[in-house]
Amino acid sequence: EDQVTQSPEALRLQEGESSSLNCSYTVSGLRGLFWYRQDPGKGPEFLFTLYSAGEEKEKERLKATLTKKESFLHITAPKPEDSATYLCAVKSTPLVFGKGTRLSVIA
Amino acid sequence: EPEVTQTPSHQVTQMGQEVILRCVPISNHLYFYWYRQILGQKVEFLVSFYNNEISEKSEIFDDQFSVERPDGSNFTLKIRSTKLEDSAMYFCASSVQGGLLETQYFGPGTRLLVL
Repeated sequence: EDQVTQSPEALRLQEGESSSLNCSYTVSGLRGLFWYRQDPGKGPEFLFTLYSAGEEKEKERLKATLTKKESFLHITAPKPEDSATYLCAVKSTPLVFGKGTRLSVIA
Repeated sequence: EPEVTQTPSHQVTQMGQEVILRCVPISNHLYFYWYRQILGQKVEFLVSFYNNEISEKSEIFDDQFSVERPDGSNFTLKIRSTKLEDSAMYFCASSVQGGLLETQYFGPGTRLLVL
C-alpha cells in the first residue's frame, strides 16, 4: 500500500528562521512527488513536481529536493505569509497525500 | 491565470438528500478528479475521469456517488443519498494529461455539511 508520512505535524518558526519539512514515502512505482500549499478552508495550491532522485526545484523562499525515499521542503528566511499547511503527495495510482505540516511563522 | 472553479462554495443538506457539486476544470485539461477532505484529515482521492469515463476510483466512491461531464465545460459529482459521514470539503482537480504533464490543479472546494 502506498504511504506518505510528513513530519513534523506542526512547526512554529520565528520570521527569518530557516527550516525543513520532511515527506517520506513508500510507493510501488513513483510517477511524481508533488508539494502543495493549503490555506485554511481553501484547495491545495500547486508548488512543485519532482520526478527523479536528485532533482531540486526552487520558488522564492522554498526549495524542494527528492531522494529515493523522501523529499524535503526547505524554507529559507520565512515570512508570516508563508504560514499554511504544506502537503506532500505521491503519484503512483492514484495521488496519495500525507497529512501535511502546519507551518506558523511568527513575526 | 486559468484556474479550476467550483460551485457552490458551501452546501448544507439533510441526510438522505441528493446533492450535486459542480466544477469547471481548466479549459485545455483532459483529466478530471474529485477528492474529499474530512475536517482535520488527509485529502483523499475519490475518482478520476478521462475521455467521458471513469478511469480510476477509490473504495470511498461507492454506488452512492456518480460523476458526469454534462457539457464541454462542467464536471459534476453527485451524491444520491447523503449520509452524515459525507460531510467534508470536496475538491475538484484537473490536469492536462498523464505522464509528465499530470500535475493536478485544485479548485477552492465545496464545503458540504450533512445534517
